[in-house]
Amino acid sequence: NAGVMQNPRHLVRRRGQEARLRCSPMKGHSHVYWYRQLPEEGLKFMVYLQKENIIDESGMPKERFSAEFPKEGPSILRIQQVVRGDSAAYFCASSLSPNQPQHFGDGTRLSIL
Amino acid sequence: GQQLNQSPQSMFIQEGEDVSMNCTSSSIFNTWLWYKQDPGEGPVLLIALYKAGELTSNGRLTAQFGITRKDSFLNISASIPSDVGIYFCAGQLVEVQKLVFGQGTRLTINP
Repeated sequence: NAGVMQNPRHLVRRRGQEARLRCSPMKGHSHVYWYRQLPEEGLKFMVYLQKENIIDESGMPKERFSAEFPKEGPSILRIQQVVRGDSAAYFCASSLSPNQPQHFGDGTRLSIL
Repeated sequence: GQQLNQSPQSMFIQEGEDVSMNCTSSSIFNTWLWYKQDPGEGPVLLIALYKAGELTSNGRLTAQFGITRKDSFLNISASIPSDVGIYFCAGQLVEVQKLVFGQGTRLTINP
């Protein structure tokens, strides 16, 4: 039963390094969403992608953050020159179509030293 | 921006009790969803609601989409230990696919 797969589950980076988070959607799903969760808070939307297209990036910080969903392979959330404030859990979700429910992976916990 | 107010923030109940939590918004949503999150895991979808006034059940869980489209509630009947976790409501607009999440309700059950 292939749900949304995220890796790595845990990622430790030093300040200034790059973090790359990967997400493989559920089989047949072509809509991918990234969310960030701080401790004791709800999830906050970052970006919505379809294959090879960014549809909505209204929740993405303007600098250092980028996302892609190539024709082949997983979706990637990339954070350049990480800072302590980037420490959070990053969740990916996928859906069959825009108005179908979003199903989440188990997240990547990013820690910045 | 849109915000969802979820209450209560936490609940401490005895096993077997019924639970009720709700979510309100200053904005209208077309879809309401309820998720449960266990420690170290991602949110798991419990119930999705698509029409104002809709009442939907999933086992011991019942959720309703408010008539005004600005609120929703989730009830859990006869709670059991595995109901422990954090419950999140989320709203979605048809034209904007992103989910707006509440702050969560942390449920603790005393055996």
